[in-house]
Amino acid sequence: EPEVTQTPSHQVTQMGQEVILRCVPISNHLYFYWYRQILGQKVEFLVSFYNNEISEKSEIFDDQFSVERPDGSNFTLKIRSTKLEDSAMYFCASSDEGSGQPQHFGDGTRLSIL
Amino acid sequence: KQEVTQIPAALSVPEGENLVLNCSFTDSAIYNLQWFRQDPGKGLTSLLLIQSSQREQTSGRLNASLDKSSGRSTLYIAASQPGDSATYLCAVREYGGSQGNLIFGKGTKLSVKP
Repeated sequence: EPEVTQTPSHQVTQMGQEVILRCVPISNHLYFYWYRQILGQKVEFLVSFYNNEISEKSEIFDDQFSVERPDGSNFTLKIRSTKLEDSAMYFCASSDEGSGQPQHFGDGTRLSIL
Repeated sequence: KQEVTQIPAALSVPEGENLVLNCSFTDSAIYNLQWFRQDPGKGLTSLLLIQSSQREQTSGRLNASLDKSSGRSTLYIAASQPGDSATYLCAVREYGGSQGNLIFGKGTKLSVKP
């Protein structure tokens, strides 16, 4: 069964450094998402992306965050200058239709900021 | 603002027992509701998606119901097995916004003892 893949599985970075989290969505999907889960907390929506532009973003997704689909297969989340509170599990998801179809999630990237 | 609550936070049952997990949401204006399974350190596996016009969905030993007017959904697991041990999350997709992000509950951690 097709799946969403994320790399790396674990990223350790010094505070203030830039990080790029990578995702390969399911190949025929057109809608892409990033979520995060701080340890012990709920999964929170960050951003959705369709047709090469951001569709929606949450309050969390401030100017330090950006997303990109640099080619036909990858979808990336960049955090420009990481803070301690950015430590979390980051999940990428994709769906083949905007609202009526299930979102399929990757295994996540655990981001640890030191 | 939509809030999703899952009760209980944790549940331990002996193998073979039938069980019900509960999910409630504060705003009934939802597009659909999705149940996920999350294994420790892993991503979210989609189990069932119920559209707002549907009352229930079934997959194998799993049955999910939706009562939109009362803001409730249940996930019924029949003949539980140790392999069902995981955290179960529900998430609603609201109307509004171009793609509709998912709003998650905190989950119910299920332990099925042999």
